[in-house]
Amino acid sequence: NAGVTQTPKFRILKIGQSMTLQCTQDMNHNYMYWYRQDPGMGLKLIYYSVGAGITDKGEVPNGYNVSRSTTEDFPLRLELAAPSQTSVYFCASSSSRDEQYFGPGTRLTVT
Amino acid sequence: AQTVTQSQPEMSVQEAETVTLSCTYDTSESDYYLFWYKQPPSRQMILVIRQEAYKQQNATENRFSVNFQKAAKSFSLKISDSQLGDAAMYFCAYRSLNAGKSTFGDGTTLTVKP
Repeated sequence: NAGVTQTPKFRILKIGQSMTLQCTQDMNHNYMYWYRQDPGMGLKLIYYSVGAGITDKGEVPNGYNVSRSTTEDFPLRLELAAPSQTSVYFCASSSSRDEQYFGPGTRLTVT
Repeated sequence: AQTVTQSQPEMSVQEAETVTLSCTYDTSESDYYLFWYKQPPSRQMILVIRQEAYKQQNATENRFSVNFQKAAKSFSLKISDSQLGDAAMYFCAYRSLNAGKSTFGDGTTLTVKP
């Protein structure tokens, strides 16, 4: 039982490049989330999903896209990377009434 | 929309002493969940304790306990017999009963002095 896994762990992007952050959970959770955490700050919700085929925007969705074709996977797409997207990205999942389980995070630097 | 406020950006405690981290929230809902998460330097977010709003009894997990005051919308975390491994950033979070997303506070960085 791996829980929530994220790849890659680290990535450096040049301005204008695109990439996909992968997230997979093996707990059969309906809910999945993407957060970003800037240094010394709290978590900001980017997008979330309440089930396969259903996604919704969080607080800071601009510059990102998501899809949820299966229960297990919830990839986050960055288009036209900008320095403001330098952050640590966390994926999380939960059942309807429990706490969130977090992945280990992806540290992204855009230069 | 719900809001969660952690008014103490930083706290410090002597090893073996007790410390209390504050959290207040704003909601019009009557039933919900509250959580405290710990984020050590490894960055991995770990659940410390949870509280269901319909339960009057304060949750306890070993050295960690909460003081849940529903009317005051307050949810503080008490850490007893603090250990060096307790040093971390602590986040308070609110979750609606039937909504998918949670609202997190901005966090409190706890330093434990030997």
